[in-house]
Amino acid sequence: DAGVTQSPTHLIKTRGQQVTLRCSPKSGHDTVSWYQQALGQGPQFIFQYYEEEERQRGNFPDRFSGHQFPNYSSELNVNALLLGDSALYLCASSLDGELYNSPLHFGNGTRLTVT
Amino acid sequence: AQRVTQPEKLLSVFKGAPVELKCNYSYSGSPELFWYVQYSRQRLQLLLRHISRESIKGFTADLNKGETSFHLKKPFAQEEDSAMYYCALSGYGGATNKLIFGTGTLLAVQP
Repeated sequence: DAGVTQSPTHLIKTRGQQVTLRCSPKSGHDTVSWYQQALGQGPQFIFQYYEEEERQRGNFPDRFSGHQFPNYSSELNVNALLLGDSALYLCASSLDGELYNSPLHFGNGTRLTVT
Repeated sequence: AQRVTQPEKLLSVFKGAPVELKCNYSYSGSPELFWYVQYSRQRLQLLLRHISRESIKGFTADLNKGETSFHLKKPFAQEEDSAMYYCALSGYGGATNKLIFGTGTLLAVQP
């Protein structure tokens, strides 16, 4: 089991551009969450997808959008990139329906640099 | 507001010394608390959660609702414990899982 996989591992974009990050969840997982981790900070919740719909959202602007596909994989899109969007973007998968909060399984992240 | 505070950015101890990584939280309901760990060149992974009441790799953490704390403890540190530790809070029961992380504490265990 490869666990959660993310692509690409690194990305450099220019201000104003758009970017798409991809995530494949751990086998058997159906829920995908995205987190942004700025340098020196803990991960910050962006949103969560379940059954191809956004279920919860953190305090991020509409420039951040996502999608979940029928195979549970997910994309994170960021439009009109700002310098402040430079961060490590983490994808985490979990299994909905467990009795307790399903533990998150994280990917290695995509390092986005906006210049 | 929901918040997790880890006051120490770096904690340096010698091998065999006791370790306590501090975590305080702010939440008005009944939170679920977690500790996540990231070893060098590895992904972030769950270490333990308070509902499990278990010891993982010698680490324990007790939820103190009166002091709103969830400190991580280990009686004798090992060099392999060196890692970044994040305390996290989930304000939702059931299957939803939106975690609020602290800023993390880097534990350095010296030989």
